[in-house]
Amino acid sequence: DTGVSQDPRHKITKRGQNVTFRCDPISEHNRLYWYRQTLGQGPEFLTYFQNEAQLEKSRLLSDRFSAERPKGSFSTLEIQRTEQGDSAMYLCASSLDPTTLAHKDTQYFGPGTRLTVL
Amino acid sequence: AQTVTQSQPEMSVQEAETVTLSCTYDTSESNYYLFWYKQPPSRQMILVIRQEAYKQQNATENRFSVNFQKAAKSFSLKISDSQLGDTAMYFCARMNRDDKIIFGKGTRLHILP
Repeated sequence: DTGVSQDPRHKITKRGQNVTFRCDPISEHNRLYWYRQTLGQGPEFLTYFQNEAQLEKSRLLSDRFSAERPKGSFSTLEIQRTEQGDSAMYLCASSLDPTTLAHKDTQYFGPGTRLTVL
Repeated sequence: AQTVTQSQPEMSVQEAETVTLSCTYDTSESNYYLFWYKQPPSRQMILVIRQEAYKQQNATENRFSVNFQKAAKSFSLKISDSQLGDTAMYFCARMNRDDKIIFGKGTRLHILP
């Protein structure tokens, strides 16, 4: 078990540029989540996938954000026309697919990608 | 809004002492999960302990234990025999049936030598 990995760990970009982040979940996990964490705050939910299907998107996720998980394994999060307000840590987490609330599994987090928009 | 509140932004304790971190939450559901996550400086978030709301027994993990008061919607974390490696941000979190985790703003804990 190599854990959840994210790439890159740090990204500095200029306002208006597009950026893409990658997340590789724990291999047997079919649930994958994206969160955003700003300085001094807890993580906030953005979106999540079960296998390749995107099941829910937060209202925090504007039209400039898009996430994919094309083969049900790794996922990408793209931000188009970045703004300074997009500067944050973007966290990915994965878990097993629960069948009932009684069997919900723990979400395991990656190290995050820290985005700085200049 | 369904929220998670951590009323202590920052705490400091001496090594080997016991410390309790407070957390209250709001939910309209009767069944849910509660978590404490630890985020060390510049390192990734890891799960410390979890509690299923339908279980009355408080969860324990080695030096970490919780005091879960369902009626009061309170979920505090006790760290016994604190160690320097316990220095971190601690987030209280709740997960409902919709699988989304709602985090509090965190408590920054400093363990002093």
